[in-house]
Amino acid sequence: GIQVEQSPPDLILQEGANSTLRCNFSDSVNNLQWFHQNPWGQLINLFYIPSGTKQNGRLSATTVATERYSLLYISSSQTTDSGVYFCAVDRSSARQLTFGSGTQLTVLP
Amino acid sequence: DAGVTQSPTHLIKTRGQHVTLRCSPISGHKSVSWYQQVLGQGPQFIFQYYEKEERGRGNFPDRFSARQFPNYSSELNVNALLLGDSALYLCASSLASREAFFGQGTRLTVV
Repeated sequence: GIQVEQSPPDLILQEGANSTLRCNFSDSVNNLQWFHQNPWGQLINLFYIPSGTKQNGRLSATTVATERYSLLYISSSQTTDSGVYFCAVDRSSARQLTFGSGTQLTVLP
Repeated sequence: DAGVTQSPTHLIKTRGQHVTLRCSPISGHKSVSWYQQVLGQGPQFIFQYYEKEERGRGNFPDRFSARQFPNYSSELNVNALLLGDSALYLCASSLASREAFFGQGTRLTVV
């Protein structure tokens, strides 16, 4: 099956700093999503981005499908950005997602 | 509109028992998928149902089963519970081939 690797596994930042999270995948995909998992376990949708670039406030994401990677940018980080960020892909649809192991982000005040 | 809802939110079971978890998708979504997330790992795909038919199954033993009802809600059943089944169980729904939306999960503890 498809492999998904996320880096770095852990990231500690001071409030206000910027960060880049990376997701590499081993095969072509038709669906790629970024999620933020809050401390209660809820997966919050950040981006649906099988290709191209999108921005939403302080967050933006870029997927280069031909090179099989995606980047999540967080600017001016806040303590509320803390949590685990997951990348998930599917070759066909959003119904059988393969997740990476996540990036644990800690933003210090 | 309500999001994906799962019940119960927490559950404690004894080894060997059976458990049923429930999921109601977003209104209009016909696809429901189930995932298991053990501590420290990403969610792993268990089942996908669309229009009441199983459309995909992950690498899980036959103790795991699921079904989807005419109103597109779904149940995940696990028989003969093992300690290793302790995890967060997540349900997701999606519309056609678009993005998946997840419920808040059911945290199952097997003792």
